[in-house]
Amino acid sequence: QGQLQQSGPGQVKPSQTLSVTCAISGDSVSSNSVTWNWIRQSPSRGLEWLGRTYHRSEWYTDYAVSVKSRIRMSADTSRNQLSLQLNSVTPDDTAVYFCARGPSYTSGWYAFDIWGQGTMVTVSS
Amino acid sequence: DIQMTQSPSFLSASVGDRVTITCRASQDISDFLNWYQQKPGKAPELLIYGASTLQSGVPSRFSGSGSGTDFTLTISSLQLEDFASYYCQQSYNMPVFGPGTKVDIK
Repeated sequence: QGQLQQSGPGQVKPSQTLSVTCAISGDSVSSNSVTWNWIRQSPSRGLEWLGRTYHRSEWYTDYAVSVKSRIRMSADTSRNQLSLQLNSVTPDDTAVYFCARGPSYTSGWYAFDIWGQGTMVTVSS
Repeated sequence: DIQMTQSPSFLSASVGDRVTITCRASQDISDFLNWYQQKPGKAPELLIYGASTLQSGVPSRFSGSGSGTDFTLTISSLQLEDFASYYCQQSYNMPVFGPGTKVDIK
């Protein structure tokens, strides 16, 4: 059973860049049978899917429309980890950020069977 | 975009009760519907995927049904560890979660 361990700063200033990493154990970031997702949760927005990255014959990413102009997800195969960057943050981006695995056995755009522990990020000056 | 709604938003129940939570999609999503349980301060945990398939390790008192736009999560006999929030999520296309149902102790 895989595990996801997140790390990142708990506070970011408005207009700056939010960065969170997700270290993967028990699975490979390059696996062809999963997707790697970022999801956030706040009282105002609930659970909000931000995007995914995955490897098939090459790397693919899909981003939610709400953050598409500000987000970047990447995979580091040498460290077996994921990274999330969200630019130009505002207080509305204050949330708990989760990484999560989507396994292909769940079909469609996949469910999320393994989650990181969550990283609380507060956007405040 | 597909919108997801859940009812009720809040549910008060006792140990041993049968509990049903409803999730509705704004358009046909076939059976691409998943259910999660979340406890305070923890990440959500997958209970059911594909509308009715129990995730490995999930107790059999949990069940899911439905297809198209209307879905239900049923807990046949509520246990103390089941008091939590429950979310549905469509995986027909870009994932969207429902707003959640909090199950509290009566």
